[in-house]
Amino acid sequence: QVQLQESGPGLVKPSGTLSLTCAVSGGSISSSNWWSWVRQPPGKGLEWIGEIYHSGSTNYNPSLKSRVTISVDKSKNQFSLKLSSVTAADTAVYYCARDDKESDAFDIWGQGTMVTVSS
Amino acid sequence: EIVMTQSPATLSVSPGERATLSCRASQSVSSNLAWYQQKPGQAPRLLIYGASTRATGIPARFSGSGSGTEFTLTISSLQSEDFAVYYCQQYNNWPPRTFGQGTKVEIK
Repeated sequence: QVQLQESGPGLVKPSGTLSLTCAVSGGSISSSNWWSWVRQPPGKGLEWIGEIYHSGSTNYNPSLKSRVTISVDKSKNQFSLKLSSVTAADTAVYYCARDDKESDAFDIWGQGTMVTVSS
Repeated sequence: EIVMTQSPATLSVSPGERATLSCRASQSVSSNLAWYQQKPGQAPRLLIYGASTRATGIPARFSGSGSGTEFTLTISSLQSEDFAVYYCQQYNNWPPRTFGQGTKVEIK
């Protein structure tokens, strides 16, 4: 079955760029699904960041749109997140997730990766 | 942006009892609503989509209802593994896809 695995630095300096990758295994990123990033600050709720289709089409959360770029690498079966000009408020667990084409809900999630913004 | 509001923030329930969680949308989301369960240190797990359809492998004690702006997740008889935080999420109008702030179901 499809599995997702996030990877990337756990510590990013303020004003820097957060970069994460989500590797898709057990299935193709070119299937008819969208692929999302969701984050969760410590002790808080879930916030959707944005999504990408294998064609490269994207949708972003307007609250983050000016700082977010999501891209796809079909050759590596993975998609990536870049968040620029980070502050302490961007400290969170970052999850990648699949938007299931049948249900439109997030049916598969990665385990999550903690990113701390600190000098 | 559609705002999702969950109530109560915390629900104290004894094992074996029924739990009823509410989710309200700031405008109609039709039946485009999902429920997730999250345990400490784990990723969320999809329970319900389409407001009332259980996801694969989800026990029948979990049920969802509602449409438009008012939704309910019911756990008919709480098991020990059901104590967790539950989130609703709309996918009717996006971007952005939006989540409620969560309801924590704790042992009474």
